[in-house]
Amino acid sequence: QKEVEQNSGPLSVPEGAIASLNCTYSDRGSQSFFWYRQYSGKSPELIMFIYSNGDKEDGRFTAQLNKASQYVSLLIRDSQPSDSATYLCAVRGSYNKLIFGAGTRLAVHP
Amino acid sequence: ETGVTQTPRHLVMGMTNKKSLKCEQHLGHNAMYWYKQSAKKPLELMFVYNFKEQTENNSVPSRFSPECPNSSHLFLHLHTLQPEDSALYLCASSQDQARTQYNEQFFGPGTRLTVL
Repeated sequence: QKEVEQNSGPLSVPEGAIASLNCTYSDRGSQSFFWYRQYSGKSPELIMFIYSNGDKEDGRFTAQLNKASQYVSLLIRDSQPSDSATYLCAVRGSYNKLIFGAGTRLAVHP
Repeated sequence: ETGVTQTPRHLVMGMTNKKSLKCEQHLGHNAMYWYKQSAKKPLELMFVYNFKEQTENNSVPSRFSPECPNSSHLFLHLHTLQPEDSALYLCASSQDQARTQYNEQFFGPGTRLTVL
């Protein structure tokens, strides 16, 4: 089992729709969860982090965490073509290592 | 701009060459990281330095040699690489490597390395 799993996509959504990106992790001792956005040919850019169960909202982005189910998600409301990128889920586990998933490619079409 | 710079941005080298990648951070951070990103694979952590001391070597082959002369600079020395080492090499920094959850990493733009 991979430590951090993401569907590789591509996830295709129309402009204005909600994009839902999912991530599961294997280390039950994980405490911190991060979402990075990576445009093609660019480096990862931190967009959200969440530490507590529940939802955390920041503008059009909402991160959701369920530690019991070992699941973290990112919702993007009112998706724009500029949101088209690969979204990396990263989990800080028991040994304080930041483990990345392979990423989900999101394509927002007009 | 994240405050983390990397040079060169692109590098093509032969298997017998020796080259170095440079990373500099202007954020006042104390921890620096080297990652390798290959196509369709997760980011792979290679090395971690915390307050100039190497705290992690993730079973990286010896043909990769890191150097951290101070908390702001990190190098990755390369020699006798293989074609499968071709990848995007990313440097990151964070406040430190302490066991706290509030320790986001900020990435540099990366060096795209091609080994012929």
